[in-house]
Amino acid sequence: QSVLTQPPSASGTPGQRVTISCSGASSNIGSNTVNWYQQLPGTAPKLLISDNNQRPSGVPDRFSGSKSGTSASLAIIGLQSEDEADYYCAAWDDSLNGPVFGGGTKLTVL
Amino acid sequence: QAQLVESGGGVVQPGKSLRLSCAASEFTFSSYAMYWVRQAPGKGLEWVAAISYDGSKNSYRDSVKGRFTISRDNSKNMLYVQMNSLRAEDTAVYYCARGWGMSSSRFDCWGQGTLVTVSS
Repeated sequence: QSVLTQPPSASGTPGQRVTISCSGASSNIGSNTVNWYQQLPGTAPKLLISDNNQRPSGVPDRFSGSKSGTSASLAIIGLQSEDEADYYCAAWDDSLNGPVFGGGTKLTVL
Repeated sequence: QAQLVESGGGVVQPGKSLRLSCAASEFTFSSYAMYWVRQAPGKGLEWVAAISYDGSKNSYRDSVKGRFTISRDNSKNMLYVQMNSLRAEDTAVYYCARGWGMSSSRFDCWGQGTLVTVSS
C-alpha cells in the first residue's frame, strides 16, 4: 500500500481534459513539494511536473500541476493518444525520512 | 544531455548477493545526490536508497537497511548498490536517478533500469 493515494485508473477521449489526484498527509504533501512522473509503457519514468507546478524543459504546456493542503493534482488538457501512460506523484516524507510515491494512475485514451 | 546507464542485474537465489552499477555521463556527477528507485513487476515506484553528492551521507528504506549499501566513486562517475541477503520481494527493475539534494522527491534524470530477479 502506497503512502500517497492515487486513483488506479483514469480515462478520456482525445481533446478532453483529465485530472489525476494525489492525496497525502501533513508529513509529506502537507510540508513538501510534489513532483509528478510519466512512465510510458516499457520505459523509465520521466519528470513531468516539479515543485508542485513547474514544467521541466520540453514538457508541453498541456500538463499542469497544483497543490492544496495535503493533496495535489495533475491536469492534462487537449488529451492526446501519446499521453497514454502511468502517472505517479511523489513527495518527501519527513516522518519516513525518504521520498514516497503514489501507487500510480494508468491513463487510457479512449 | 545527462545520461545514466545501469548494469549488473540478473537472476540470483534467495540469500545471495548482487551489485548494481550506474554509469553517469554528460553532467557533473559529483554535484548531485543520487538515488536508487525500484519497481516490482506490475507495481509502482519505491525508493530504495540515497547518497549525498560527496558520499558522506546515505539513507535507506527500512526494508533494505542492513542488507543494501549504496556507494559512489566520483572519480569514475559511478554509483553502486551492494545488495546482500536478497529476498524474493527484492525482485524488481532497479533505476538509478539524479536527485535534487538528499531530501528530495525530484528526480530529473533516470537510467533505463536493470532487472533483478530473486528466485530459487
